[in-house]
Amino acid sequence: QLQLVQSGAEVKKPGSSVKVSCKASGGTFTNYAINWVRQAPGQGPEWMGGIVPIYDTADYAQNFQGRVTITADESTTTVYMELRSLRSEDTAVYYCARGARFREVAGAFHYWGQGTLVTVSS
Amino acid sequence: DIQMTQSPSSLSASVGDRVTITCQASQGINNYLNWYQQKPGKAPKLLIYDASNLETGVPSRFSGSGSGTDFTFTISSLQPEDVGTYYCQQYDNLPPKFTFGQGTKLHIK
Repeated sequence: QLQLVQSGAEVKKPGSSVKVSCKASGGTFTNYAINWVRQAPGQGPEWMGGIVPIYDTADYAQNFQGRVTITADESTTTVYMELRSLRSEDTAVYYCARGARFREVAGAFHYWGQGTLVTVSS
Repeated sequence: DIQMTQSPSSLSASVGDRVTITCQASQGINNYLNWYQQKPGKAPKLLIYDASNLETGVPSRFSGSGSGTDFTFTISSLQPEDVGTYYCQQYDNLPPKFTFGQGTKLHIK
């Protein structure tokens, strides 16, 4: 059974960056996309981007293009999401989630991490 | 961009009731539509994928139907543990894009 374990909560200043990790264990890592989804307080989920580790190139949502970078480290079965130029509106819980389709950033998210709260405050 | 309209935004029903939530896409999306349940402080949980497929381990009182632009999620007999917020999610693969509905908050009367 695949498990996704994320790094701990972060408090950041406006204008800084945050890097959140998502470690996969107990299942296939390289051939299925790991996606990042964020959820601001009281809001619905929002997809940020995803990466299929074997291809090592990520796809990003238009809203985050140029501000987010998703990378994968096959040696440690860990995916990272870095968000730059943080503003207060980026305060949210950030989730990683594995997609269903073989070697595609597509399909349902069957497995989710526990979430990482990122708070942006001066 | 494809817009998803989910309704109702909130719903109150009694234990044993049949509950229906709808999701409408602004253009045809084949069957690329998933349904999730979320409880406070927890990650969303997949219930139905590709419009009508029940996720492994999910009770059979949950079901989904539809294709094209109109989709329906049904709980055949509401249970107390079904309280939470439900989201539809549409996806494209060329290029990759995922859009969640606005959510339906389900209460027990």
